[in-house]
Amino acid sequence: AQSVTQLDSQVPVFEEAPVELRCNYSSSVSVYLFWYVQYPNQGLQLLLKYLSGSTLVESINGFEAEFNKSQTSFHLRKPSVHISDTAEYFCAVSLTGRRALTFGSGTRLQVQP
Amino acid sequence: EAEVAQSPRYKITEKSQAVAFWCDPISGHATLYWYRQILGQGPELLVQFQDESVVDDSQLPKDRFSAERLKGVDSTLKIQPAELGDSAMYLCASSFPGQGSEQFFGPGTRLTVL
Repeated sequence: AQSVTQLDSQVPVFEEAPVELRCNYSSSVSVYLFWYVQYPNQGLQLLLKYLSGSTLVESINGFEAEFNKSQTSFHLRKPSVHISDTAEYFCAVSLTGRRALTFGSGTRLQVQP
Repeated sequence: EAEVAQSPRYKITEKSQAVAFWCDPISGHATLYWYRQILGQGPELLVQFQDESVVDDSQLPKDRFSAERLKGVDSTLKIQPAELGDSAMYLCASSFPGQGSEQFFGPGTRLTVL
């Protein structure tokens, strides 16, 4: 069975600083990788995903994630965060051929002025 | 913009009572999921439907939980009887059937069992 580990439960960072949210997964077969974001009092929203092709994927609001197969990682990065990025971020995987997601425990990003 | 609808948003019940949650997916989404999110954890799949058929209910506690999607559109998740450990956020999501398709999540139902 696959699993997802998000090592950091909380990441405090100052506005305009860079940030990296770590995600590692374990699976014996190929997977699809996702980052979801949950803003306060809102539902989960897809931030970005890796299905195949280029290992670097980007979102429309400046986040990027890189699939590293040898390290089984899919870390999320942003070079300069804003107050509005404060949210809970979830890494998730799904097995190719199975659409249900397996989520990590989440990382709370707290951007401070 | 199309959204996944869920009701109620909040539910407080006493243990041993029955509760039911409703989900209306985005129109045209054949795949529907119910997830449970315990405070401080990520969502965990309870059941997955493809149209009206159950695809995966391996993590659904079938002695007390049931789910149906009779006409392949909206869905109901029921718990009977509720236990203290069932307190959680219950999330519904829907997607097109293709692999890697984005799952769209509803706002969730927060259940508190007293």
